[in-house]
Amino acid sequence: GAVVSQHPSWVICKSGTSVKIECRSLDFQATTMFWYRQFPKQSLMLMATSNEGSKATYEQGVEKDKFLINHASLTLSTLTVTSAHPEDSSFYICSARDPRGRGDTQYFGPGTRLTVL
Amino acid sequence: GDSVTQMEGPVTLSEEAFLTINCTYTATGYPSLFWYVQYPGEGLQLLLKATKADDKGSNKGFEATYRKETTSFHLEKGSVQVSDSAVYFCALSADFGNEKLTFGTGTRLTIIP
Repeated sequence: GAVVSQHPSWVICKSGTSVKIECRSLDFQATTMFWYRQFPKQSLMLMATSNEGSKATYEQGVEKDKFLINHASLTLSTLTVTSAHPEDSSFYICSARDPRGRGDTQYFGPGTRLTVL
Repeated sequence: GDSVTQMEGPVTLSEEAFLTINCTYTATGYPSLFWYVQYPGEGLQLLLKATKADDKGSNKGFEATYRKETTSFHLEKGSVQVSDSAVYFCALSADFGNEKLTFGTGTRLTIIP
């Protein structure tokens, strides 16, 4: 199946710094990518939908100025957590929709664990 | 709003045991239903899906039937293997073609030899 990578797989940063997470579709062009957040023992919560060449669509309650999303190419979307604080510590997962498939064909990255000290 | 409730884990079974992981949902309209699996160190993978009532999704010996009357999509396998050890997520998308997925909390399954 299609492959989606994330980088880094884990990151530890100091409070107040910004962290960028990359999501790449390795063998297909993804017009749409999704960013999820997962707390321990909880569901994946959709944060935003990232569309190539346009602004991301954020879910209710997600601060767009806090979580900056850039989908500058058909194979790369980035999530930047700005001025990170300990409450932003979480597991961030991206997925990419393969346009060659049906609307429900999403491929997931392995996730990035962010720890803010 | 839409929601998915799935059986809490962890679940530990012996090899060749019968597996059921319960999943129920709340949604308006006619959602599509999915089971995703996450093996250690890997991303979520689509295991199976069903897009309308009474459909049965199946893959790798796993099955789930879309039951609209009970709003359920329980995952079953007749004889589990050690390699089935993973975290299993039930999910729905509210409308076919709508890409937004709503996930359950996940169920960690461990199979012991």
